[in-house]
Amino acid sequence: KNQVEQSPQSLIILEGKNCTLQCNYTVSPFSNLRWYKQDTGRGPVSLTIMTFSENTKSNGRYTATLDADTKQSSLHITASQLSDSASYICVVSAGDYKLSFGAGTTVTVRA
Amino acid sequence: EPEVTQTPSHQVTQMGQEVILRCVPISNHLYFYWYRQILGQKVEFLVSFYNNEISEKSEIFDDQFSVERPDGSNFTLKIRSTKLEDSAMYFCASKVVNEQFFGPGTRLTVL
Repeated sequence: KNQVEQSPQSLIILEGKNCTLQCNYTVSPFSNLRWYKQDTGRGPVSLTIMTFSENTKSNGRYTATLDADTKQSSLHITASQLSDSASYICVVSAGDYKLSFGAGTTVTVRA
Repeated sequence: EPEVTQTPSHQVTQMGQEVILRCVPISNHLYFYWYRQILGQKVEFLVSFYNNEISEKSEIFDDQFSVERPDGSNFTLKIRSTKLEDSAMYFCASKVVNEQFFGPGTRLTVL
């Protein structure tokens, strides 16, 4: 069964600090891995997408890594801002149609 | 920038009633999806739609659910006889090549 596990479930950080979120997956066959940001009550918004051959991708202060051998990914947020408070969801695609979602990590940035 | 839109933003209905959730995908997109997210849980895939037919559906998408693209712009999800457990956020998404773009969601509350 395709599964995506994220850790931690939630975290609180001070504004300006960095943090790293983890994602482990058992999706097969692997197509790509995405990180989404979901604000409360809103739809997910794509941050990064990585295929098998990519091991790092950045989008501003967000940097995602992928280790396809160990089936792990991380999302690093640099110099956090209050607007980074959201749920960050790891999503793995096994093909064209179906995405497998992680439960998300809720990040709270405090001033 | 084009975006996926959904209406209504919030729908309240009585158990057993039919509801239709509406989505307007991004205009040149060819693949369409419905997802749901029960409060506090992960996003779950419901159905994908391409070339005017269902491509894939999950076990959640039973006979009570149906999708339709009645014209060139709208993509609808119908629940024939709602149950309490259908209460959730329903997200529509569309894509043209690789990345799915999500709408803001419709919050469905079944009383």
